[in-house]
Amino acid sequence: DTGVSQNPRHKITKRGQNVTFRCDPISEHNRLYWYRQTLGQGPEFLTYFQNEAQLEKSRLLSDRFSAERPKGSFSTLEIQRTEQGDSAMYLCASSLGSAGVNEQFFGPGTRLTVL
Amino acid sequence: TQLLEQSPQFLSIQEGENLTVYCNSSSVFSSLQWYRQEPGEGPVLLVTVVTGGEVKKLKRLTFQFGDARKDSSLHITAAQPGDTGLYLCAGARPGTYKYIFGTGTRLKVLA
Repeated sequence: DTGVSQNPRHKITKRGQNVTFRCDPISEHNRLYWYRQTLGQGPEFLTYFQNEAQLEKSRLLSDRFSAERPKGSFSTLEIQRTEQGDSAMYLCASSLGSAGVNEQFFGPGTRLTVL
Repeated sequence: TQLLEQSPQFLSIQEGENLTVYCNSSSVFSSLQWYRQEPGEGPVLLVTVVTGGEVKKLKRLTFQFGDARKDSSLHITAAQPGDTGLYLCAGARPGTYKYIFGTGTRLKVLA
């Protein structure tokens, strides 16, 4: 396993369209996180899963955003009716989820541009 | 509300100089991580600190967690152009596995 992977790496879409991103975590990791990062800022937490359960969602995650992790492995993040303000880098991270230190490892991100 | 403030925001130095980046908060964290991020890529984990007062060294990088677990610093000795990047701290509040990221410090090391 070479790490967290994300697809696609880049997505350009028109305002109003729906987009879906995929994240494949490190295989034995049971926690999976989604973040959004805009230019010049640190990543902002969106949501996280422990196995298939979505345990926390940020208020940043409007009704247009939905994330799933149906089998506790890969996850998808869907944005419906995209807006120009959704343009950002969407980052996924995973962690082992054992007791103690919870180290996150990030994927390369999906850069979304909404025209 | 930004819980983690980093300073400075930007830093441009000559190769061979030393520097320190700070990560400050009024909140207590159970653990704090430092990352480096290059343009167009995800953050890469450098270190995790968990104990108040803890010091960790990674080659020319020295990380310290404050005694009260509210702040941290990253010191780089003899900076090299390869150290250029965005340095991010991220903290987990006690009882949660949710990480809050700092505002970031953009470092440029000139040859």
